This record gives sequence, C-alpha cells and structure tokens, in this order.
Amino acid sequence: ETGVTQTPRHLVMGMTNKKSLKCEQHLGHNAMYWYKQSAKKPLELMFVYNFKEQTENNSVPSRFSPECPNSSHLFLHLHTLQPEDSALYLCASSPTGGSNQPQHFGDGTRLSIL
Amino acid sequence: GQQVMQIPQYQHVQEGEDFTTYCNSSTTLSNIQWYKQRPGGHPVFLIQLVKSGEVKKQKRLTFQFGEAKKNSSLHITATQTTDVGTYFCAGTGTASKLTFGTGTRLQVTL
Repeated sequence: ETGVTQTPRHLVMGMTNKKSLKCEQHLGHNAMYWYKQSAKKPLELMFVYNFKEQTENNSVPSRFSPECPNSSHLFLHLHTLQPEDSALYLCASSPTGGSNQPQHFGDGTRLSIL
Repeated sequence: GQQVMQIPQYQHVQEGEDFTTYCNSSTTLSNIQWYKQRPGGHPVFLIQLVKSGEVKKQKRLTFQFGEAKKNSSLHITATQTTDVGTYFCAGTGTASKLTFGTGTRLQVTL
C-alpha cells in the first residue's frame, strides 16, 4: 500500500479512443506529478500540479490533457494517442512541489496503444 | 538541459558480492535523491543527500554525494537477492527541477 492509487493498472486502447487515467493520494500531500516510463529511457516528467495549479508542463503533446480537481486527485485524459505513447504512466505526490521533497509513487498504469 | 547519467546500465552479481552504481550530472546539484524500483513495481524513495561530500548509510547501503556536487554513488555491501531492482538517482539542478537518472538495473543470483 503506497498511499498513491492509480487506476486502471492496465489499459489497451486504439489510436482513436478516448480514455482517462486516474490517480488518488491519501497522504495529505499538495503536489502531484505525472511521469512516463518507457523501456531503456529515464523517467520523463510530464506535468506537475501544486495546490491544484499546474506549475509545469514538460512540452507534452496536447493529446495528453491533465486535470487536477483537488490536491488528492489527478487525471490524465488521453485522446488520439500514437504507438510510441505505449509506456508505464506513473503518478507521484509530495508534500509540496519543492524539488527537495521525496516523491511517493503509485503502481502505475501500463498503457498499450494498438 | 540538465542530464543525469548512471553507470553501469546493468550489473549482474553473485549473492554476497558488493555493488556500486554511479550517478553523474552535467550541472551542479543542490540535492540528490535515490530511488529503488523492484521488477514490476514503482520507484520507492530511499534517501536524499544535500551537503557536499555527504555520506549516509542505511544498513548495507552507503550513499555518497561528491565534493563538487555533480556526482553521487550508491554502494551495496554483500548483496542479497532482495536487492534486485533498478536504482535511480534524481538530482535538482539550476532550474530547480528534479531530473531522474537513466538507472542501473541490478540482478543478483545465488
């Protein structure tokens, strides 16, 4: 039990589908993150939210659309994805958005694009 | 942009042998964190180093931050099969962004 729950754990979708990934944290943290983890690549930071406000968008294509309705929930809306978007998508949280804060990760959503 | 490289990419050791992974940054870091990701799992925070030359120990794990704050190492003494996984460093550079390293995958066999 990590305190950060991601659903679904696995997702297979076609390039024209629309789906959403969900992340919920029960740690009382105020910052939440989306990362992409591909084989043989470092963890890539996608988005950062601090107190519900987006503070970082790491040049992510618009087919990925994040949403943070409150400090405990984070969504990643997916639309018209490409095969190269297949990866493990990890959500993380930290007490605040400072880069000296330990990050707590969820188990991730394994996404496969057909 | 800031780059954080780790070597080796992969290491296979016999149980009981020592293991070291090295983390090198292209820029000076204000802090460095280490994470462990078990196969099929998620990254788990291990430790953070902040001071130049800092050394911290957690049981069989020894973490070191370089004097110039551009490199770090993680040393495991007498590896066990439970040490299997990928070890990531993550450093904060001048842009105040945490950048993850490329990771070192450790395999331990009996």
